[in-house]
Amino acid sequence: NAGVTQTPKFQVLKTGQSMTLQCAQDMNHNSMYWYRQDPGMGLRLIYYSASEGTTDKGEVPNGYNVSRLNKREFSLRLESAAPSQTSVYFCASKQSGGYTFGSGTRLTVV
Amino acid sequence: QKEVEQNSGPLSVPEGAIASLNCTYSDRGSQSFFWYRQYSGKSPELIMFIYSNGDKEDGRFTAQLNRASQYISLLIRDSKLSDSATYLCAVHNAGGTSYGKLTFGQGTILTVHP
Repeated sequence: NAGVTQTPKFQVLKTGQSMTLQCAQDMNHNSMYWYRQDPGMGLRLIYYSASEGTTDKGEVPNGYNVSRLNKREFSLRLESAAPSQTSVYFCASKQSGGYTFGSGTRLTVV
Repeated sequence: QKEVEQNSGPLSVPEGAIASLNCTYSDRGSQSFFWYRQYSGKSPELIMFIYSNGDKEDGRFTAQLNRASQYISLLIRDSKLSDSATYLCAVHNAGGTSYGKLTFGQGTILTVHP
């Protein structure tokens, strides 16, 4: 069992470029989440999906879109990347005893 | 006021000592509380969660919850060099739903030195 898998692990984008961060879980969890982590700020919720077919904004949704493709997959899209989106992005899925996180995507926008 | 605030670090303790990490939260409706450990460059990993007032012990770790004071703490006994990491406090509020949201504090860096 892989748990939560994120791709890619590293990415460098130029300002204005677009990209999609992929996330998949094999634990049959209903709820999935995207967080970003910046130095000294903990993890901040970008978007979440309570179940297949539903998505909702979190604390910092501006500049992002998401798609819950099916129960397994939850993708995060940056339509026009900005330097302020340089961060580490974590996908998570919810279990009864807490959240399981993917290994993260380190994104740099230059 | 931030929803979840952790005591400012970094915290440095000698090997074998007790490390005490603290956290306060603002939403009285929060249902469950979590401590995650995060090594540099890695993803957060769950150490403990607690739902009820009082203490919960798991090996060298003890989580404490005081709902009246909206306060959570994590005690690490017999600290080891491998405990050096960032510790994240997180608060879960279901908001009447079946899923809810997890809100994190900013993290406290713990260094255990020989």
